[in-house]
Amino acid sequence: GDSVTQMEGPVTLSEEAFLTINCTYTATGYPSLFWYVQYPGEGLQLLLKATKADDKGSNKGFEATYRKETTSFHLEKGSVQVSDSAVYFCALRGYNFNKFYFGSGTKLNVKP
Amino acid sequence: GAGVSQSPSNKVTEKGKDVELRCDPISGHTALYWYRQSLGQGLEFLIYFQGNSAPDKSGLPSDRFSAERTGGSVSTLTIQRTQQEDSAVYLCASSSGQGFQETQYFGPGTRLLVL
Repeated sequence: GDSVTQMEGPVTLSEEAFLTINCTYTATGYPSLFWYVQYPGEGLQLLLKATKADDKGSNKGFEATYRKETTSFHLEKGSVQVSDSAVYFCALRGYNFNKFYFGSGTKLNVKP
Repeated sequence: GAGVSQSPSNKVTEKGKDVELRCDPISGHTALYWYRQSLGQGLEFLIYFQGNSAPDKSGLPSDRFSAERTGGSVSTLTIQRTQQEDSAVYLCASSSGQGFQETQYFGPGTRLLVL
């Protein structure tokens, strides 16, 4: 069945460091891929998405490219800020459009 | 309101009691989802409503769990005879229901603790 695997956290970085959070997926057909972010004390909110192979989603300096050949959707940011500290979830919407499949989340801590 | 709202924000109950969790989706959104987020885990799909279609209940973990959506808007998730393993954050999300590119908008969740 469809599934998402993302790197375990927590990830601790210093401000202005480069961030990569790995996400790989298993899906039938051509899923849409998403990154959601959950800031402390808040609900999940969409960070970025990509709906077909080679698409790049971007928002707030974050980017992720839909790589069908490696079934990956890694999240990157060139220079993280303390305000980026949050839990990041990779997700896919697969062939059964009813369901979204979420990874277990990766907690990011950015230190000043 | 502007976003998805859920109530209560926190619920503490005793094992064996029934609980009801409420979700108010964004106005006009026809699709509504319930998820469960256990400590340190990802989101577990529970149930999906789309318009007047029969809901997709395939994620409900047992027959103690049920959900309804009245008038295509407000939804209630009911857990009967609660168990300690039901303790989790229950999240509701809604979307426009207009295609596979649609985005889900999440509520703040209800944190359930079963003693």
